[in-house]
Amino acid sequence: SQTIHQWPATLVQPVGSPLSLECTVEGTSNPNLYWYRQAAGRGLQLLFYSVGIGQISSEVPQNLSASRPQDRQFILSSKKLLLSDSGFYLCAWKARVGTDTQYFGPGTRLTVL
Amino acid sequence: AQTVTQSQPEMSVQEAETVTLSCTYDTSENNYYLFWYKQPPSRQMILVIRQEAYKQQNATENRFSVNFQKAAKSFSLKISDSQLGDTAMYFCAFMKHAPIMNAGGTSYGKLTFGQGTILTVHP
Repeated sequence: SQTIHQWPATLVQPVGSPLSLECTVEGTSNPNLYWYRQAAGRGLQLLFYSVGIGQISSEVPQNLSASRPQDRQFILSSKKLLLSDSGFYLCAWKARVGTDTQYFGPGTRLTVL
Repeated sequence: AQTVTQSQPEMSVQEAETVTLSCTYDTSENNYYLFWYKQPPSRQMILVIRQEAYKQQNATENRFSVNFQKAAKSFSLKISDSQLGDTAMYFCAFMKHAPIMNAGGTSYGKLTFGQGTILTVHP
């Protein structure tokens, strides 16, 4: 069966510091991968998606970037965090073909102080 | 662009009763998918049920069922025999039917979420 991991689970960072959140998927190959942000416990906003290694599409211009160095690894980064980057970050995966359903990881709660 | 609207910020229901959560959406697409996700206090997003727009039959998963009205662009979730473990935030989500992959890259499998409904089940 497939599993998706995110770490860290919780992170508190000062304004201006760098960020690296990691997401890995097990039990599948060539997945589509997604980063979402959920602010204030409400709706999710798609930040980035990837259909393959090194292929990143950005949905919202912002202070963040994403990379996919390996097939099942998706990284969300920032060089300098802003207060507005605080939120709950969720990674999701979807099989490339055969299904339309996205499955989510446990999430990372980021607080920027 | 697609939009998803959940007009009920909060709902409550007594254990063992039935509750219906509302969702409407706006799209010009004809082929798409609709989903309900549940987010319990742990905050992990869990798929509850999915519906393919070309299917007229409403999807059902155990105690969960939907009322899909394509012409009205409505997709409500009914929870029967509510349980304490159903307490969570529920999100309605829309996905355009995925196009064939191309080198330019399109919004492949992008989910558009509503703002969520907090459901509390009381004992």
